[in-house]
Amino acid sequence: AQTVTQSQPEMSVQEAETVTLSCTYDTSENNYYLFWYKQPPSRQMILVIRQEAYKQQNATENRFSVNFQKAAKSFSLKISDSQLGDTAMYFCAFGGDAGKSTFGDGTTLTVKP
Amino acid sequence: EAQVTQNPRYLITVTGKKLTVTCSQNMNHEYMSWYRQDPGLGLRQIYYSMNVEVTDKGDVPEGYKVSRKEKRNFPLILESPSPNQTSLYFCASSRRTGTGGYTFGSGTRLTVV
Repeated sequence: AQTVTQSQPEMSVQEAETVTLSCTYDTSENNYYLFWYKQPPSRQMILVIRQEAYKQQNATENRFSVNFQKAAKSFSLKISDSQLGDTAMYFCAFGGDAGKSTFGDGTTLTVKP
Repeated sequence: EAQVTQNPRYLITVTGKKLTVTCSQNMNHEYMSWYRQDPGLGLRQIYYSMNVEVTDKGDVPEGYKVSRKEKRNFPLILESPSPNQTSLYFCASSRRTGTGGYTFGSGTRLTVV
């Protein structure tokens, strides 16, 4: 069974600055996908970024990028130029080819003006 | 509009009264899954379905049933709800098991008294 660990329950950052959210995982599967989801107060789950494990290149989506270290089983999210609208809970998630998916416990991010 | 539709959004029920939470997707996705979200525990997978007539247990299947008779629908059934099933429930779908990320419904807030 896979596990996903987010070691930072809460974080804060000043508007326009950069913040990194940590995530580590463990799995015995060879083919899998990793995701970061954002959950604002509206409770809607929004996909922020995804990474296919077989790709070495780190994924980037506008201000969001990941640092994927497959050997270390680490998948951190960097948010550049933080905006007030980035305030939300962020979940790291694992999706395996066998169908099971696992989410971390979440990191609550507050962007301060 | 591509979406996952869950109903109802809010439900208060009494212990032991059978209920069904419906989930429907219009993206022709093969994969569908149910999660529950509890404070401090992230999202935990209840059941998932890789395709029509194929369902498997997630991490917390006790007390729940599902069926996948059609590709678009994946209802969650609580035969005899108990107070410990009070939670926020999400349905999600994806093209394959995890490729491209999961599209989530808006969630169902269930309270069992």
